Amino acid sequence: AQTVTQSQPEMSVQEAETVTLSCTYDTSESDYYLFWYKQPPSRQMILVIRQEAYKQQNATENRFSVNFQKAAKSFSLKISDSQLGDAAMYFCARLTSGTYKYIFGTGTRLKVLA
Amino acid sequence: DAGITQSPRYKITETGRQVTLMCHQTWSHSYMFWYRQDLGHGLRLIYYSAAADITDKGEVPDGYVVSRSKTENFPLTLESATRSQTSVYFCASSSGDGGETQYFGPGTRLLVL
Repeated sequence: AQTVTQSQPEMSVQEAETVTLSCTYDTSESDYYLFWYKQPPSRQMILVIRQEAYKQQNATENRFSVNFQKAAKSFSLKISDSQLGDAAMYFCARLTSGTYKYIFGTGTRLKVLA
Repeated sequence: DAGITQSPRYKITETGRQVTLMCHQTWSHSYMFWYRQDLGHGLRLIYYSAAADITDKGEVPDGYVVSRSKTENFPLTLESATRSQTSVYFCASSSGDGGETQYFGPGTRLLVL
C-alpha cells in the first residue's frame, strides 16, 4: 500500500523558535507531488507549501521550507520564527503525477508556546 | 471572491435519513472532490469528478452518492445516514489534469444520531 506517515502526533515549539515536522512516504512512482497543508481550529485546510519530486531544490514559502530527500522518501517541514498563529494540525500529502488522488498522512498537531 | 463554499456548515440528523451536503466553487475548476476527515485517518477520498457528468469512486464511497450536472456544483448525498458517517466532510477543487493543487472548502460537520 502506498502510504504517507507522520510519526509525530504532537509537537510543541516556543514562540520565535524553529520546529521541524517529519513526513515519510512510500511510492514506486518517480513523478509525484508533495504538499503540506495546515488546518487551524477553524478546520479550513490551507496549503502551506508544495514540492515537485522532479525538482532537486527544496521549496520555500517565507518562514516555511521543506527538506525533500527523494531517495529516503522523506519530506519534512521546517517552520522558522514560529508564531502563535502557526498552531494547527499539519498534514502531509502525496499526489502521483497524472492522478487526482491525494494520499494524506494522519497529521501532526503543533502547539506554539508563548 | 467566494472561492469554494460548503453548506450547511453543521448538520445533525438521525439514522436512516437522507442528507445532502452542498459544494459550490466559483473558479470554474474542472475537478472536484469529496473527502471525509476522521480522527486517526487524516482525509480520505469519497468521490471525485473530472467534469460535469463525470464522477468516479474514491477510497470510501459506500453509502454515498454524488452528481455533477453543473461544473460549479458537486453535491454529496447520504441516502440513508448511519452513525459511522458522523464525520467532517470537505469539498475540494482543482483546475488541471493531475498534479494540481487542490483547494478546500471550509468543511461540513455532520452528526448522525
